Amino acid sequence: SQQGEEDPQALSIQEGENATMNCSYKTSINNLQWYRQNSGRGLVHLILIRSNEREKHSGRLRVTLDTSKKSSSLLITASRAADTASYFCATDRWDSGYALNFGKGTSLLVTP
Amino acid sequence: SQTIHQWPATLVQPVGSPLSLECTVEGTSNPNLYWYRQAAGRGLQLLFYSIGIDQISSEVPQNLSASRPQDRQFILSSKKLLLSDSGFYLCAWSVQDRAFFGQGTRLTVV
Repeated sequence: SQQGEEDPQALSIQEGENATMNCSYKTSINNLQWYRQNSGRGLVHLILIRSNEREKHSGRLRVTLDTSKKSSSLLITASRAADTASYFCATDRWDSGYALNFGKGTSLLVTP
Repeated sequence: SQTIHQWPATLVQPVGSPLSLECTVEGTSNPNLYWYRQAAGRGLQLLFYSIGIDQISSEVPQNLSASRPQDRQFILSSKKLLLSDSGFYLCAWSVQDRAFFGQGTRLTVV
């Protein structure tokens, strides 16, 4: 079952602007991850944040986690046209061979 | 380094025909393996997972089955495809919380 829900469903910005995507989930987690999917391709892992962490950075990516609100956000700073893709949050599932619950994703379009 | 191969990339099959999608992983031993399906504009739905050879668990009742004849080989099958089986199928393996995905198979049942 899908646990994460991303918001917004679609986001259109211009190059150089920041993009913020949000994710909410329902149950307790050990970690939360963000993945990126280019159109018609597989998913690529971007960043993982553990339940005892509040913020994590990787290059132009910044992820926050608020376990009290069961929410996370992904910030992409100084966006580029190459950032155009769908972004998914995923939470761990200990009861299914450590499979992941994915949200429906945010479709990001960055125009030059 | 570890890699995952999934093929074919696209497939068009008539209703009632059989299906076999194959996924192999290199560079790791005893990985957890998964099959996901992604409907258009949707997130990923877990179909099957496997924690070892011949150990397959199904998430949802469906027209599909999975097998793991070797440690690093995961196969998704159907005896008779339905129109509703159309979608984007992704194989993945995981280690230490992270998942690594194949490039996916676009299946269209006509």
